[in-house]
Amino acid sequence: SQQGEEDPQALSIQEGENATMNCSYKTSINNLQWYRQNSGRGLVHLILIRSNEREKHSGRLRVTLDTSKKSSSLLITASRAADTASYFCATDSMGGNKLVFGAGTILRVKS
Amino acid sequence: DTEVTQTPKHLVMGMTNKKSLKCEQHMGHRAMYWYKQKAKKPPELMFVYSYEKLSINESVPSRFSPECPNSSLLNLHLHALQPEDSALYLCASSQDRVVTGELFFGEGSRLTVL
Repeated sequence: SQQGEEDPQALSIQEGENATMNCSYKTSINNLQWYRQNSGRGLVHLILIRSNEREKHSGRLRVTLDTSKKSSSLLITASRAADTASYFCATDSMGGNKLVFGAGTILRVKS
Repeated sequence: DTEVTQTPKHLVMGMTNKKSLKCEQHMGHRAMYWYKQKAKKPPELMFVYSYEKLSINESVPSRFSPECPNSSLLNLHLHALQPEDSALYLCASSQDRVVTGELFFGEGSRLTVL
């Protein structure tokens, strides 16, 4: 399966702390994306990193990609209670027509 | 307009009913997707439409029947569903194939099959 695996499954931190989530995948990719999902809602795209990129920033988000290890990490700095959500990595597959999601990390930020 | 709109938000149906989920986008996107999500699980791909043609069917049971009447609309027709089909059904669209960029998701239709 192309599906990514994420760790940790759940993460609980205090407001102001940093949160790091990791994602591993199995086959070669064109890009890797991160999404956020608030409980029972739709998914919101956070950031896309292409296979020829190693690091990307967007606001308080920092994503790294190591294609040799088939892994990525998402760092959220100075977390806020509003960051409480599930976070999924997703990789493209089947010639770039299909996006497959990892198992996800549930992040809880306590105020 | 950067929205994907799904209706209805909630649907309760019996196993003998026929119902449809609807999805609409006006971003000029040429790829549209149906995902199914069970509680505490990731979204699972069901169907992909590319330029209004079905390009991927992830071996979904025939009781789910997708339809793409035009480039802005995507339907999912439901018939003779089972209780285990209860889930959040998410529609998404992208400008073209996923290799080119992000997916835009609707808020989902929460389906309960009695």
